[in-house]
Amino acid sequence: GNSVTQMEGPVTLSEEAFLTINCTYTATGYPSLFWYVQYPGEGLQLLLKATKADDKGSNKGFEATYRKETTSFHLEKGSVQVSDSAVYFCALSPWNTGFQKLVFGTGTRLLVSP
Amino acid sequence: DSGVTQTPKHLITATGQRVTLRCSPRSGDLSVYWYQQSLDQGLQFLIQYYNGEERAKGNILERFSAQQFPDLHSELNLSSLELGDSALYFCASSETGAAGTEAFFGQGTRLTVV
Repeated sequence: GNSVTQMEGPVTLSEEAFLTINCTYTATGYPSLFWYVQYPGEGLQLLLKATKADDKGSNKGFEATYRKETTSFHLEKGSVQVSDSAVYFCALSPWNTGFQKLVFGTGTRLLVSP
Repeated sequence: DSGVTQTPKHLITATGQRVTLRCSPRSGDLSVYWYQQSLDQGLQFLIQYYNGEERAKGNILERFSAQQFPDLHSELNLSSLELGDSALYFCASSETGAAGTEAFFGQGTRLTVV
């Protein structure tokens, strides 16, 4: 079946540090891949997405590249800010269903200190 | 603000009771999804509607049901509630519901069953 595995959190960083949150997936074919972010007390917001192999999604300084050979979609940011503290979810949408059904990872909490 | 409105924000009820959660999608979006977020299960897809018709079903219990009305708002009905149903319930909407399209999430309804 389809599944997403994320690194366990929390990830604790100092401001301006480099961020990597690992995400790997299991799926047949060519799923679409997403990163969502959840700030405290809020719903999920789409951070970035990639719909085919080698695509790079980017937004607000965050990047992730769709690597089919390693079935990965790791999230990176060169310099984190305190305001980036949130829970980050990696997700996939199966490619052959004809409809949107997101399969989420367990989420990784990021804590950035000044 | 994602444009997706969920009411109520919080709900406390007793075991065995029935509740209704309401969702208004973004203007123009035809597809509505329901997700459950709990500590032990993470984010789970429950059900999707497209233009009033059920499109996909996930891990939705038989005690739960949903519908999408002609004005495109949706309701999730939870009956014979158990302690384990305590969770954050998210509604999301998207324009078409096709795989890979962006889904916009509401802020959720936190259900507590006592």
